[in-house]
This record gives sequence, C-alpha cells and structure tokens, in this order.
Amino acid sequence: AQTVTQSQPEMSVQEAETVTLSCTYDTSESDYYLFWYKQPPSRQMILVIRQEAYKQQNATENRFSVNFQKAAKSFSLKISDSQLGDAAMYFCAYRYGGSQGNLIFGKGTKLSVKP
Amino acid sequence: GAGVSQSPSNKVTEKGKDVELRCDPISGHTALYWYRQRLGQGLEFLIYFQGNSAPDKSGLPSDRFSAERTGGSVSTLTIQRTQQEDSAVYLCASSLAASGWETQYFGPGTRLLVL
Repeated sequence: AQTVTQSQPEMSVQEAETVTLSCTYDTSESDYYLFWYKQPPSRQMILVIRQEAYKQQNATENRFSVNFQKAAKSFSLKISDSQLGDAAMYFCAYRYGGSQGNLIFGKGTKLSVKP
Repeated sequence: GAGVSQSPSNKVTEKGKDVELRCDPISGHTALYWYRQRLGQGLEFLIYFQGNSAPDKSGLPSDRFSAERTGGSVSTLTIQRTQQEDSAVYLCASSLAASGWETQYFGPGTRLLVL
C-alpha cells in the first residue's frame, strides 16, 4: 500500500526567508503524481504545486518549488521569500497514475511565518 | 465559475442520530471524492464517484457510512447512528476527470461534532 510521510509536524520561518518542508512516500508503482496542498485556517485545500513522476525536471510555481528525488522517494517543498500569507498547514499527497483517482495524504506540516 | 460548495458548514448532532452532508461539485466535473479529516490529521479517502460508474467505496470505515451522487452532480454523504469518533471535517473534492494528473478542487468542508 502506498504511504506518505511528513516528518515535520511544525516548522517556522522568518518573513522573506526560505523554508523547506519534507515529504517521503512509498510506492511500487512507476506511474504516479505528487502534490503539495495548502490548508489555511479557512479549511479550504488549495493546490500549491504538482509533479509527474516521469518528469525529472523539478516543478516550480513562482515562489514555490520542489526537489523531487525519485530514487529516494522524496518530494520536498521549498518556499522562497516567505510571506505572512504562507502560514498554513501543508499536505503532501500521492496519486496513482491510473484511473483510480483518490489522493493519499501525509499528516501535514504546520508552517508559521514570523514577521 | 463557482467552486465546490458544501453544506452545512458546521453540524452538531447527538450520538446515535443520522446526518446528511451535501456536496455541490464544480459544473462539468465528472469525478467527485469524499475525504475525512480528523483533528490534527491528514485527509483519509472515503469514497469516489466517476461519471456513471459504480462508486469506489473502499475507504468507507463502516457500513454506517454511505454516499450517493444524483444525476452525476450533487452528492450526499450519510452517516447513520453517529458515534463520537465520527467527529471530523468532511471534505468534498471534484475534478474534471479521474486521471492522475487532474487537479482535485476542494470545498470548504463540513465540520461534524457528535456529542
């Protein structure tokens, strides 16, 4: 069975600094996708960034980028120039590449941003 | 251009009562998912609908949980004879299709408290 592990329950970063959130996963599949979702106190899950497993190039979305290490089954999220609005729970998620669609989530990392 | 909506936002019920939670997906989205998020935890998959196919119920924790999707649009999650351990936020998501790449868009969730 696929599992997703986030080993950092809480992280803190100073405004304008860079922070990296860790995520590891376990799967025997070769076709899959990885996601980072943000959940602010409003509870609304928002997609931050996603990565196809078959792509070696790391995905980037503005201040957000990932470090995808397929052999190590690692998928970390880097937030550059952190802003107060980045404070939230961040969830790493895995999804099999076939038609079976549900996401498998880690337990999340609570990110605090200090002014 | 409305997103996924869920109702009610909050629900307080007594142990043993039945509850119904509603999800309105984004128009045109064929795939619909229900997840449960217990306090301080990641999301657990419950059930998934794709078009007119039989739903994937593999995540339902017990036979007290059921869901239906009428006309390929609105979905209702029903919990019968609620227990205190059912207290959680129930999140609904929809996507254009069920393929691994498609983004799942989440609603704001229903917070259920069973007294």
